[in-house]
Amino acid sequence: GENVEQHPSTLSVQEGDSAVIKCTYSDSASNYFPWYKQELGKRPQLIIDIRSNVGEKKDQRIAVTLNKTAKHFSLHITETQPEDSAVYFCAASISGTYKYIFGTGTRLKVLA
Amino acid sequence: KAGVTQTPRYLIKTRGQQVTLSCSPISGHRSVSWYQQTPGQGLQFLFEYFSETQRNKGNFPGRFSGRQFSNSRSEMNVSTLELGDSALYLCASSPSRGMTEAFFGQGTRLTVV
Repeated sequence: GENVEQHPSTLSVQEGDSAVIKCTYSDSASNYFPWYKQELGKRPQLIIDIRSNVGEKKDQRIAVTLNKTAKHFSLHITETQPEDSAVYFCAASISGTYKYIFGTGTRLKVLA
Repeated sequence: KAGVTQTPRYLIKTRGQQVTLSCSPISGHRSVSWYQQTPGQGLQFLFEYFSETQRNKGNFPGRFSGRQFSNSRSEMNVSTLELGDSALYLCASSPSRGMTEAFFGQGTRLTVV
């Protein structure tokens, strides 16, 4: 069935270092991959997304890469700051639906 | 522009009861989807509605149902509540069914005792 695996489940980095979170999806029909950030007690918010016709997308300190052949996509955060501390979720979906299959989340802690 | 509004924010129910949760999407958004969030299972897809029609359904028992009204507001209902239904229920809205951002509400925290 449809599945998204996300690793690691927790990640601690020193402020200023980079953080990488990896996801693998199972449904080869998936073609839209959003990443959401959820701070404690708050709603998930989209931070970046990528479509299957693009291999990489960057927005300031955040970048996402997609390898369709391997069904892998990754989130890269550079120059991490304490406010980056949150739970990050990857998701995969098929164009034309909002049936997101989410990964189980990564709790990122940025140590000052 | 008001965001996605979910009511109520918190609910405590007893096993066997039923509950109805409400979601008002962002004005102009026609797509509403629902998710269950638990510490152990993460975010799991419940349903997706567009133009008052259920377009997709997740792997939840028939006790979980939903609907969407002509003004795009959506409700989900859970009947015969079980302890395991305790969770944060999130809805998300989007203007269309294309590859655009889904905006989440704050959620309804349901506790079943």
